[in-house]
Amino acid sequence: AQSVAQPEDQVNVAEGNPLTVKCTYSVSGNPYLFWYVQYPNRGLQFLLKYITGDNLVKGSYGFEAEFNKSQTSFHLKKPSALVSDSALYFCAVRVRMDSSYKLIFGSGTRLLVRP
Amino acid sequence: NAGVTQTPKFRVLKTGQSMTLLCAQDMNHEYMYWYRQDPGMGLRLIHYSVGEGTTAKGEVPDGYNVSRLKKQNFLLGLESAAPSQTSVYFCASSYMGPGQGATNPYNEQFFGPGTRLTVL
Repeated sequence: AQSVAQPEDQVNVAEGNPLTVKCTYSVSGNPYLFWYVQYPNRGLQFLLKYITGDNLVKGSYGFEAEFNKSQTSFHLKKPSALVSDSALYFCAVRVRMDSSYKLIFGSGTRLLVRP
Repeated sequence: NAGVTQTPKFRVLKTGQSMTLLCAQDMNHEYMYWYRQDPGMGLRLIHYSVGEGTTAKGEVPDGYNVSRLKKQNFLLGLESAAPSQTSVYFCASSYMGPGQGATNPYNEQFFGPGTRLTVL
């Protein structure tokens, strides 16, 4: 079955330290992968996506993600975390649905950046 | 430019009652989606629409109906609410679907702020 997994419910980091939020996927064919962020009481906001090309994708707010085909992973990273990065992060993968496509979302990882 | 808006923001229903959630977007997007978000389960697609007058089922369509009479609006209806439908509902829209022109920068989905629904 095609799926995406976020193995960590919560990630805790200190402000200024690097952060990583993990995502692994299982799809047939070439994966199209996305990261979204959700702040409290808000909808999801697009951060970045991988379609093809460079394995390191840069996105909004200083985030980047590394696509690793051999490990079927698409981990979200940031060199220096900010307290304002604290939010819920979702990884998503595009999968086939009937004659179209849909996004399958992971269960989400809560990032807590402490001052 | 308001983006994607949803009404109402909160609602409490009794089992068996009906209601309609309204989603509106002012970005002239063709595609619109309804998701539900439940703890530990991420977002699951309920129904979606690829254009005015069209709708299609997603992953969890049972108990819901939708209509897309106008391009800018996508309505989600619950005919007879059940406690299992307690959730946060998100509407989203995109210029193109996630399978069209995947390298196109306009195929990201834009989300509304959500509607928190409780069914007692």
